[in-house]
Amino acid sequence: AQKVTQAQTEISVVEKEDVTLDCVYETRDTTYYLFWYKQPPSGELVFLIRRNSFDEQNEISGRYSWNFQKSTSSFNFTITASQVVDSAVYFCALSEALRGGKLIFGQGTELSVKP
Amino acid sequence: GAGVSQSPSNKVTEKGKDVELRCDPISGHTALYWYRQSLGQGLEFLIYFQGNSAPDKSGLPSDRFSAERTGGSVSTLTIQRTQQEDSAVYLCASGVSGLYEQYFGPGTRLTVT
Repeated sequence: AQKVTQAQTEISVVEKEDVTLDCVYETRDTTYYLFWYKQPPSGELVFLIRRNSFDEQNEISGRYSWNFQKSTSSFNFTITASQVVDSAVYFCALSEALRGGKLIFGQGTELSVKP
Repeated sequence: GAGVSQSPSNKVTEKGKDVELRCDPISGHTALYWYRQSLGQGLEFLIYFQGNSAPDKSGLPSDRFSAERTGGSVSTLTIQRTQQEDSAVYLCASGVSGLYEQYFGPGTRLTVT
């Protein structure tokens, strides 16, 4: 069965701290895709990144970086030097090639960055 | 360019009434998805349209829910005989095709009284 687990329900940090959001997934498919979305207080889900199961190379985009490890079925997200504007709920999601791309979401991690 | 739009943004309805929610996807996107977000259930997949293929309805919670996509563009999600447990934010997303990133609309907040 497919499943995404984000064990951290809430995280609170002070501005400029680094923070890592954990994501663990379960799938029996060999071809799958992993995503991170941000949902700020305004409510609209914002796409951050998509990785396929054959590409374990880590990715960095500005202050954001992602660590994909198939051996531990994890796709963790790190924000370096956090800012107040990073405060949001972050969702990790999985889609499987055999199931047409529908997203299976984790429960989300609410990140609060305090000044 | 224009993103995914949804209407109405808010809908309050009485239990037992039917409601229609509309989604305008990004122009040129062949994949269209409906999800709902509620406090108890998180983000749940409802239905998926890809081009002219038969939709994947595997996430619809009951036969009171249906959706159509006309002309490969606009989609309407219909909930018949609404129940209080249908209260949620209904989100539409579109993508270039299945398996690519999905871009979400602002959602329709449905409240059933």
